[in-house]
Formats: sequence, structure tokens, C-alpha cells
Amino acid sequence: SQQGEEDPQALSIQEGENATMNCSYKTSINNLQWYRQNSGRGLVHLILIRSNEREKHSGRLRVTLDTSKKSSSLLITASRAADTASYFCATDNDYKLSFGAGTTVTVRA
Amino acid sequence: DVKVTQSSRYLVKRTGEKVFLECVQDMDHENMFWYRQDPGLGLRLIYFSYDVKMKEKGDIPEGYSVSREKKERFSLILESASTNQTSMYLCASSLGSGDGYTFGSGTRLTVV
Repeated sequence: SQQGEEDPQALSIQEGENATMNCSYKTSINNLQWYRQNSGRGLVHLILIRSNEREKHSGRLRVTLDTSKKSSSLLITASRAADTASYFCATDNDYKLSFGAGTTVTVRA
Repeated sequence: DVKVTQSSRYLVKRTGEKVFLECVQDMDHENMFWYRQDPGLGLRLIYFSYDVKMKEKGDIPEGYSVSREKKERFSLILESASTNQTSMYLCASSLGSGDGYTFGSGTRLTVV
């Protein structure tokens, strides 16, 4: 069942700006993961945050998790054209992942 | 790097045909998964497997079956293809429960 819901559905930003997208989910989770998909190809794992963590960084990515609000956010700083992609959050609550419908990010040069 | 290889990038099949989608991973991962991806619906889990010869139904197993005879290979079978099974099919694997997934490049299946 689809658990995560990303917001917004689409985002257009200028190169160099930050991009923020949010994910809300319904039930308790073991961890939450973010993935990127370029041009309808396979998904690439970006970052995993466990239910007892509140914030995690990886390069230009920053993920937060608020289990009391059942929400997460992904921040991409100093965006580049190569960041143009769809981004999905996925919740792990029974050792298998449930994905949202994704946020499409377009970075304009 | 772990690699997940899906045998076909694009596939066109006729209604009623039996279709096999193959997926192979090369890093001894325990878990393997099949999803389908449709616009506006995200990824939906069809079947998954935690071990050889073991399979579990996901959220939308109807019309599909799977086979895992060897640890590295997980096959998705469309018993009698229908037009509503036209979709992008994504295979994934993970080392263990609670780990990130590695996805294949996907198979875009069109049933005519």
C-alpha cells in the first residue's frame, strides 16, 4: 500500500537555489529512505534515516524526520542541472518499502 | 558496486501471452523485490522474496507469479498478459531487512 505522500508534486528552481520537498506517512516506521529517479530509469538510493534519528546529512542533502508528525523533508542545497529528477520517499515499516508518487524537480540553468 | 540487471529494457507482448521478466543481482543480497511504476501512482509492490524458493505477495500480486530458484535471480511471470499490465517494472535487491535497495534500470512493458 502507498504510505508516503510527497509534497509538492512538482518543483522548478534556478540553478544554485535550494530545493525542499516533504513526505508525510501514516503508520509507524523502522526507517525512511529517499530515492532519485532520472528520466524513467531505475531508482537510486540517496539516504536512509532511522526512526530514532532526527536529522542526517550526505553531501548536499539534508534529511529530517519528525516521527511525532509522521513527516520527513529532503533539502538539496546549491542545486545543479544534474539534480533534475524525480525524488521519492519510501517508508520501511515491515522490512519492505512503500513508496510515494514522487516530487518532480526541474533545475533551470 | 552492487548491480541489479534486468534482462530487457523495452518489451512488447500480445494480450494472452505468458511473459517472463528476469532480474539478476551480483552481490549475494538476501532480499529481492518486484515493483511496477505507473504515472501518479508511484511504485507498487508486486512480490518479494527473502530467501531462495521463498516468495511473499505484495500489494498487487493478482495476475503475476514469481520464481526464485537461485539466490541471485528473481523472475516475474505474467501468466496471461493483459493491457492493464502495461507498465514500467522495476526489480530491486537489498542486503538485509532495513537496508537501502539497489534497483535495476527497469523494463518498460507494453501489452497490445
